[in-house]
Amino acid sequence: GAGVSQSPRYKVAKRGQDVALRCDPISGHVSLFWYQQALGQGPEFLTYFQNEAQLDKSGLPSDRFFAERPEGSVSTLKIQRTQQEDSAVYLCASSLGARGYRNTGELFFGEGSRLTVL
Amino acid sequence: GENVEQHPSTLSVQEGDSAVIKCTYSDSASNYFPWYKQELGKRPQLIIDIRSNVGEKKDQRIAVTLNKTAKHFSLHITETQPEDSAVYFCAASAGDKLIFGTGTRLQVFP
Repeated sequence: GAGVSQSPRYKVAKRGQDVALRCDPISGHVSLFWYQQALGQGPEFLTYFQNEAQLDKSGLPSDRFFAERPEGSVSTLKIQRTQQEDSAVYLCASSLGARGYRNTGELFFGEGSRLTVL
Repeated sequence: GENVEQHPSTLSVQEGDSAVIKCTYSDSASNYFPWYKQELGKRPQLIIDIRSNVGEKKDQRIAVTLNKTAKHFSLHITETQPEDSAVYFCAASAGDKLIFGTGTRLQVFP
């Protein structure tokens, strides 16, 4: 596709439910990032993949959060036993080169998945 | 780790005036500083970036300046237009990832 695609765009979950958020990066992009954006805040780093390898997961807030990119393209962010504090927009971004921004600079963001936990 | 502070949080200007947004960072190893624009309900989009070997960069009405010694960088928008109204985020590199500021909501009044 022409850009980074995320689904679902909107998700309402009851507290305690598991959710899965999908990211389809730009074809050929090596680096993939997940960010969490709370209302009125800047994106906060969650995790980073280079191809299928998860090189940095230091931003995942708890062991309820899990991300994968098994074939080096599509990525899924899974949140288990959702809590109200998980409500946010989850942004996925991809970059052409390895090592994140270093080669090409620009991160291309998706429209985000807005998660609301009731 | 890297910490990025951004101010002001909101900025209102008259069309045609200039707008300046400032950011500071903590990690002296940071070497890449992009600015992203996010319109309501839309994805963040890169508008300009600067690397640490350059002190200033300009693209039409937008310019960014970097002071490595003081660890701060600024976005300057001249001749503002209503379509410049959005939230602007600065960011600084930290390893392979970017750390973002908290954003500045810019409103340009006709």
